Amino acid sequence: GQQLNQSPQSMFIQEGEDVSMNCTSSSIFNTWLWYKQEPGEGPVLLIALYKAGELTSNGRLTAQFGITRKDSFLNISASIPSDVGIYFCAGQLAGTSGTYKYIFGTGTRLKVLA
Amino acid sequence: EAGVVQSPRYKIIEKKQPVAFWCNPISGHNTLYWYRQNLGQGPELLIRYENEEAVDDSQLPKDRFSAERLKGVDSTLKIQPAELGDSAVYLCASSLVPGRVSSYNEQFFGPGTRLTVL
Repeated sequence: GQQLNQSPQSMFIQEGEDVSMNCTSSSIFNTWLWYKQEPGEGPVLLIALYKAGELTSNGRLTAQFGITRKDSFLNISASIPSDVGIYFCAGQLAGTSGTYKYIFGTGTRLKVLA
Repeated sequence: EAGVVQSPRYKIIEKKQPVAFWCNPISGHNTLYWYRQNLGQGPELLIRYENEEAVDDSQLPKDRFSAERLKGVDSTLKIQPAELGDSAVYLCASSLVPGRVSSYNEQFFGPGTRLTVL
């Protein structure tokens, strides 16, 4: 099935460093979502974005909805060990008759070195 | 408040055997989703229910997969017969109302069932 492209695929960083990851698509979306998944658990919603250019923060997390509506970015400032996990983007596009396309990215695996 | 409950958490079967997964969504949530997550990938939607109606099953491989949500509450996903390529984590999620997922209509995921087909 279709998956959005995320980069980097994985990253090791030192505690206290800032982290950036992005998600790109060949399709336009009207909502972008960012999730975090920890081992043995389902994804948990971190941030939702609803319009092009929107910049939204949730604590140390900041995400932006790309102007072209085909990409989104997530930044984590001053990383801590509990930031470890897999971060997924998801794009959503409303269709006809109440349907909508909802596609996840391939994930960015983050490991924080204390 | 209890979250989305799934069982079993792990299942190992031989190919060609049938298998079923069960999901109990958060109380009061009308919309229920089944996803498949292959190793190293993001979740892929298999089917979405609004109450007891399957409103989007376009990604469900209907030759071997089936799902039901009787009474619009809990749901069962079945594979018969299972193939080696079906090994994955099967996630169930629910949200309060139909319509697109948002921070106001958040989609809550269960822990998943990890299926291994030998």
